[in-house]
Amino acid sequence: DVKVTQSSRYLVKRTGEKVFLECVQDMDHENMFWYRQDPGLGLRLIYFSYDVKMKEKGDIPEGYSVSREKKERFSLILESASTNQTSMYLCASRGSGNNEQFFGPGTRLTVL
Amino acid sequence: AQRVTQPEKLLSVFKGAPVELKCNYSYSGSPELFWYVQYSRQRLQLLLRHISRESIKGFTADLNKGETSFHLKKPFAQEEDSAMYYCALSGVGQAAGNKLTFGGGTRVLVKP
Repeated sequence: DVKVTQSSRYLVKRTGEKVFLECVQDMDHENMFWYRQDPGLGLRLIYFSYDVKMKEKGDIPEGYSVSREKKERFSLILESASTNQTSMYLCASRGSGNNEQFFGPGTRLTVL
Repeated sequence: AQRVTQPEKLLSVFKGAPVELKCNYSYSGSPELFWYVQYSRQRLQLLLRHISRESIKGFTADLNKGETSFHLKKPFAQEEDSAMYYCALSGVGQAAGNKLTFGGGTRVLVKP
């Protein structure tokens, strides 16, 4: 059974802080993704990675960066958090040859 | 550019009534379409995909390329179907990552 875990369920940060969101998957998947989920907007892709140290911008990368030093771990970084980054953040992973993505439980980030 | 539109933000039906969630897409190539579901306090999970042509939990969805639609249907809604539903599209044979584009989501409420 695929397991995608995220480091925190809830996080409260202040404007200007640097924020790290961690995601780990245990199925040796090549592809990992970060989305934000907002009411009425659905899920929007921030960044994805198809291999270690590889990353690609998604649809809304501004204000975010990512890191993938190990295959199982994909980190999302908010260099200087702003209130408009208050959202639910979902991580997902996908193996090669299969388009199904497996999601983590989400991190609800509030930036004050 | 690919886009997915779910015109209804909320669908409220009585138990035993039919339910249909609309999904329209725009994509220049050959798409793969999915429905994902998120039950209360659970993670987002795949419900069905058009290539498998299965019925899952009584739900079916048919890809209509002429109308660029992938509507989700169930003839008799159950209370446990209450959830958030997302339609998603992936381009077949796309560059690394095969990223998903999600619609805005439809919340289904099945009343007793």
